[in-house]
Amino acid sequence: EVQLVQSGAEVKRPGESLKISCKASGYSFTNYWIGWVRQMPGEGLESMGIIYPADSDTKYSPSFQGQVTISADRSISTAYLQWSSLKASDTAMYYCARGPLTTIGTDEGFDYWGQGTLVTVSS
Amino acid sequence: QSVLTQPPSASGTLGQRVTISCSGRSSNIGSNTVNWYQQLPGTAPKLVIYSNNQRPSGVPDRFSGSKSGTSASLAISGLQSEDEADYYCAAWDDSLNGPVFGGGTKLTVL
Repeated sequence: EVQLVQSGAEVKRPGESLKISCKASGYSFTNYWIGWVRQMPGEGLESMGIIYPADSDTKYSPSFQGQVTISADRSISTAYLQWSSLKASDTAMYYCARGPLTTIGTDEGFDYWGQGTLVTVSS
Repeated sequence: QSVLTQPPSASGTLGQRVTISCSGRSSNIGSNTVNWYQQLPGTAPKLVIYSNNQRPSGVPDRFSGSKSGTSASLAISGLQSEDEADYYCAAWDDSLNGPVFGGGTKLTVL
């Protein structure tokens, strides 16, 4: 059974750093892209970027380039999303999801999702 | 402002057929396939249509998708109360080199 299990909710102060995780199981971690999606309170879904764990090829959405870092550790089948200096506007639910690209480069959507990690940034 | 454009709301009565539209441009829907997600309140999104019109295993055949040019549609027939959710379209964007989402449509079952 494919599962993506995310780390727990976080409450941080502006300016602090943070790294949240997404542990994959039930499939070959290095054979699928994995992405991060932001959902701000009461708002829609935004793709932040995707990473291919086999070679760490990473594609960032322009709005998030330079704002976050996406990484992956093949040895423990875990993807990460990190901030070096949080802002109040980073308050949101963050989802990891498998996809959307297949190994042959076709887009078949984000087919499995984590449960979400709520990040609250407040002074 | 989302890259793909969806109506903010839609509604239908039990048993009715409803459609949700998604409009894009040549760099996304016009040259790539469209996926649709359902998000029930307080839960993670779920893929209900991929590659324009394919249903993942377990998704009822009441859900169908289509694409024409730079627009796509999600249709739900035999509307049920459990279909009340937010629906998002998405597609790869060649200019942005990544996936983009629509703003979402809140479906109300009357």
